[in-house]
Amino acid sequence: AQSVTQLGSHVSVSEGALVLLRCNYSSSVPPYLFWYVQYPNQGLQLLLKYTTGATLVKGINGFEAEFKKSETSFHLTKPSAHMSDAAEYFCAVTRKTSYDKVIFGPGTSLSVIP
Amino acid sequence: DTEVTQTPKHLVMGMTNKKSLKCEQHMGHRAMYWYKQKAKKPPELMFVYSYEKLSINESVPSRFSPECPNSSLLNLHLHALQPEDSALYLCASSHQTSYNEQFFGPGTRLTVL
Repeated sequence: AQSVTQLGSHVSVSEGALVLLRCNYSSSVPPYLFWYVQYPNQGLQLLLKYTTGATLVKGINGFEAEFKKSETSFHLTKPSAHMSDAAEYFCAVTRKTSYDKVIFGPGTSLSVIP
Repeated sequence: DTEVTQTPKHLVMGMTNKKSLKCEQHMGHRAMYWYKQKAKKPPELMFVYSYEKLSINESVPSRFSPECPNSSLLNLHLHALQPEDSALYLCASSHQTSYNEQFFGPGTRLTVL
């Protein structure tokens, strides 16, 4: 079975500071990993994804994540937080099997302090 | 067009009403999904349609009835809902099945009185 944990249900950073959101997964087969962002009263938007190949993945809005198989992690980072980054962030895992569903983590709410 | 649209944006209904949620995409995606999301929680999968056929039903109560009239449209028919069904209902689509990234609509905020 697959699962996702996100350490810290709420993270606060100062504007301009490093953003680090943690995600660890459990999967018996090579995973496909995603980070989604949800702004208030909106749907989810894909930030980035890892399927195969390069383990450092760059996404939109300056975010990137690194797949570390040995640590079963896929942490999300951004060098400098902006006020507009305040949102809910979900890490998700799935695998390349037909009809397999995406498993979402519990989410991390990011606040950016001016 | 890389957009998933959902109507209505907001819906208030009584427990005896019948209403429908609508979702549409024109990206040529062959998988479509309904999710339910409570505040501060991740989306919970309800149904998956693949090539217009229901492929996953996550043990959803029968008061929720999905329908996929064609490859671009997905409906969720609601009848005799309970107050605990109040939530944000999200539609999503993807190429083929779930290992492809999913594109989400903005959701319908449902309140059951």
